[in-house]
Amino acid sequence: GAVVSQHPSRVICKSGTSVKIECRSLDFQATTMFWYRQFPKQSLMLMATSNEGSKATYEQGVEKDKFLINHASLTLSTLTVTSAHPEDSSFYICSAANGEQPQHFGDGTRLSIL
Amino acid sequence: ELKVEQNPLFLSMQEGKNYTIYCNYSTTSDRLYWYRQDPGKSLESLFVLLSNGAVKQEGRLMASLDTKARLSTLHITAAVHDLSATYFCAVAGNQFYFGTGTSLTVIP
Repeated sequence: GAVVSQHPSRVICKSGTSVKIECRSLDFQATTMFWYRQFPKQSLMLMATSNEGSKATYEQGVEKDKFLINHASLTLSTLTVTSAHPEDSSFYICSAANGEQPQHFGDGTRLSIL
Repeated sequence: ELKVEQNPLFLSMQEGKNYTIYCNYSTTSDRLYWYRQDPGKSLESLFVLLSNGAVKQEGRLMASLDTKARLSTLHITAAVHDLSATYFCAVAGNQFYFGTGTSLTVIP
């Protein structure tokens, strides 16, 4: 099956720093990538949808200046959490899809801001 | 906005017992997914249901879809400890809409 690689799997950093998370589709071209956020014992919340070569579409309540998304190629999307604070600590999951493939999920990134 | 509700939210059951998790959704969709999530892990795809009346089975899990009732079920047969996890349904619209999740604990 299709493989989506997410990196890093775990990040711990100090408040105020920026953190970049990468999401790569390894064996298919992903025209669309999705970024989700999951708090403990809760469901996944869609943050934004990114299409290759265009600006991401953010869900209501998600600050686009804080969560920068770049989808520069058909195999790579990045999420940068800028000036991260403890309340940004969460589990972030990406997924990749194209018209033929259903969504395939990355392994997730656990972000902890001290 | 499409809403997806799962029932129950938490489930504790003994090994060997059967139980059904329900997933209700609010508007028409022709694709429904079931996922498993272990603690600290991402989602593992279990089933994709693409049409009314679809039924799929894998081991002790069986999923079905009734698009007219906007209902999907995940039936657990003779539960074993290894099935302990959180199970999510997701409905495909213009995006994925996830259910609230069902946290399952199987007690030896």
